[in-house]
Amino acid sequence: GNSVTQMEGPVTLSEEAFLTINCTYTATGYPSLFWYVQYPGEGLQLLLKATKADDKGSNKGFEATYRKETTSFHLEKGSVQVSDSAVYFCALRVLQGAQKLVFGQGTRLTINP
Amino acid sequence: DAGVIQSPRHEVTEMGQEVTLRCKPISGHDYLFWYRQTMMRGLELLIYFNNNVPIDDSGMPEDRFSAKMPNASFSTLKIQPSEPRDSAVYFCASSLGGQSLAPLHFGNGTRLTVT
Repeated sequence: GNSVTQMEGPVTLSEEAFLTINCTYTATGYPSLFWYVQYPGEGLQLLLKATKADDKGSNKGFEATYRKETTSFHLEKGSVQVSDSAVYFCALRVLQGAQKLVFGQGTRLTINP
Repeated sequence: DAGVIQSPRHEVTEMGQEVTLRCKPISGHDYLFWYRQTMMRGLELLIYFNNNVPIDDSGMPEDRFSAKMPNASFSTLKIQPSEPRDSAVYFCASSLGGQSLAPLHFGNGTRLTVT
């Protein structure tokens, strides 16, 4: 089946620190991969995506590279800000069969000034 | 460009009452999803529709839950009768399917409290 495993949280960092949130997946087809972010009191928003191997998705200073050989899509940012505090979800969606989005469990990130 | 619109934003009701949550997807999107989010279980997919037809309702917890999509611009999720364990944030999302595998666009959710 299709599944996503994320690094367990919560993660607490100081402002300007380097961030990595690990994400690995299993999929029966060829998935597209996504990172979503959820700010307090809001719905999920797409942060970035990648649709094929070696693609790099990027947005707002965040990056993630689609690694087919390690089935990973780790989220990174070089210098985090307090405003990056949120819950981050890794997700996949496959073209074959049911086209539902499969989410990881989410990682809560808190950035201290 | 309006996003996915959900109503109400908050709902407080007593156990045993009927609750109806509403969703207006983004115009032109052919997939609609209902998710539930709790601290204990995270994000759970309840049901999704393609072109107004329910495709997978295996996530619907029990017969008390039902969902409809009478047309491309409106969907409802109904709980009857409601129970305290149904308290959660319910999200609606829409997307374009087919070859594009476009991402999902989420509404801001309905926070349901059943007392």
